[in-house]
Amino acid sequence: DIQMTQSPSSLSASVGDRVTITCQASQDISNYLNWYQQKPGKAPKLLIYDASNLETGVPSRFSGSGSGTDFTFTISSLQPEDIATYYCQQYDNLPSFTFGPGTKVDIK
Amino acid sequence: EVQLVESGGGLVKPGGSLRLSCAASGFTFSSYSMNWVRQAPGKGLEWVSSISSSSSYIYYADSVKGRFTISRDNAKNSLYLQMNSLRAEDTAVYYCARVGSRGQDYWGQGTLVTVSS
Repeated sequence: DIQMTQSPSSLSASVGDRVTITCQASQDISNYLNWYQQKPGKAPKLLIYDASNLETGVPSRFSGSGSGTDFTFTISSLQPEDIATYYCQQYDNLPSFTFGPGTKVDIK
Repeated sequence: EVQLVESGGGLVKPGGSLRLSCAASGFTFSSYSMNWVRQAPGKGLEWVSSISSSSSYIYYADSVKGRFTISRDNAKNSLYLQMNSLRAEDTAVYYCARVGSRGQDYWGQGTLVTVSS
């Protein structure tokens, strides 16, 4: 089974800061990677699909990159409403949709 | 507008059973595979089960295999998860999610299952 790791597990940044989260797969998953945002008490929301494509309606300050085993998720200018936990998830090795452990982002 | 609404959660004793439902609207339900994903309190997301559009392919996580059964009724635009032999570690919010070309693109709001004596 493919394992997904994320770092850091949590971070604290100031409004306007650039925030970067990394995700690593235990084997090549091409670009079959999604990034989700989950706010407390809410369902996950798809932000980035196929590693680098912005979901419709998602602000352009969110972006993703990478392929193979190493991926990056970036918030170019952190906003108060971005406080959430962010998860990467692979869908190359179906049927298992493996999630990373999550990165909790809050405001300093 | 795509909507997924889960129901059927609640408090159940260890060893008991529960059936979750997910009502879908706003898209052609019969054209999409569907997933169940769960999240234990304070923990991350765990894929539980998948079912293809025509129910031809069904998969389970090892943690629920032999105890949970996924099914769907395309005529009723509904997805189900029959959960038997429930354990304390099955306590979680259970989400249904649509599987599109972009992976799990739409999620329901979740239903809480608590397994406790």
